[in-house]
Amino acid sequence: QKEVEQDPGPLSVPEGAIVSLNCTYSNSAFQYFMWYRQYSRKGPELLMYTYSSGNKEDGRFTAQVDKSSKYISLFIRDSQPSDSATYLCAMSAIGGNQFYFGTGTSLTVIP
Amino acid sequence: GAVVSQHPSWVICKSGTSVKIECRSLDFQATTMFWYRQFPKQSLMLMATSNEGSKATYEQGVEKDKFLINHASLTLSTLTVTSAHPEDSSFYICSAMAPFTNEQFFGPGTRLTVL
Repeated sequence: QKEVEQDPGPLSVPEGAIVSLNCTYSNSAFQYFMWYRQYSRKGPELLMYTYSSGNKEDGRFTAQVDKSSKYISLFIRDSQPSDSATYLCAMSAIGGNQFYFGTGTSLTVIP
Repeated sequence: GAVVSQHPSWVICKSGTSVKIECRSLDFQATTMFWYRQFPKQSLMLMATSNEGSKATYEQGVEKDKFLINHASLTLSTLTVTSAHPEDSSFYICSAMAPFTNEQFFGPGTRLTVL
């Protein structure tokens, strides 16, 4: 079993839709959870960073962590064509410098 | 967020030559940097973890003699692809771990094409 599972998609939504991206994990030691956005031929850009359980909101983006279910989500409200990219989840344990990445979900927002 | 730069952004070289890629953390000191490789439409593949002042830790299957990593300062790590071959053509991305927070910031990537 992989440490982190992420549906690769592709996911296509109309402009203005709410997008839900998800990852599951198996290691209960993970405490840091990150979402990255990667445009084609670019390096990943850190979107959201959360520690432990709970929600974090930043503009149109909300990151949610449910440690009891080992499940994290990224919600994008009022999606825009510029949100079209690959979204990667990542996580790590306290004190560890090893990061575990999902395979990435390809998102296309159709105008 | 913190800024990580990579140079060059793209390079084309002949088979058998060596190529050096630089990764710099511009506004923070990074004791740990990472080097990844990414094939088209695939996720990141960790190649090695680079720690300032010590030898890099390579992932299984990554040839340390072929992919030389040097992390000589807290803001600079270099990856040298030695005797490059066409199968080494790929997108190489570095990242730097911010101190105290475990956040990882990525560089823009370097596209290597070996002819």
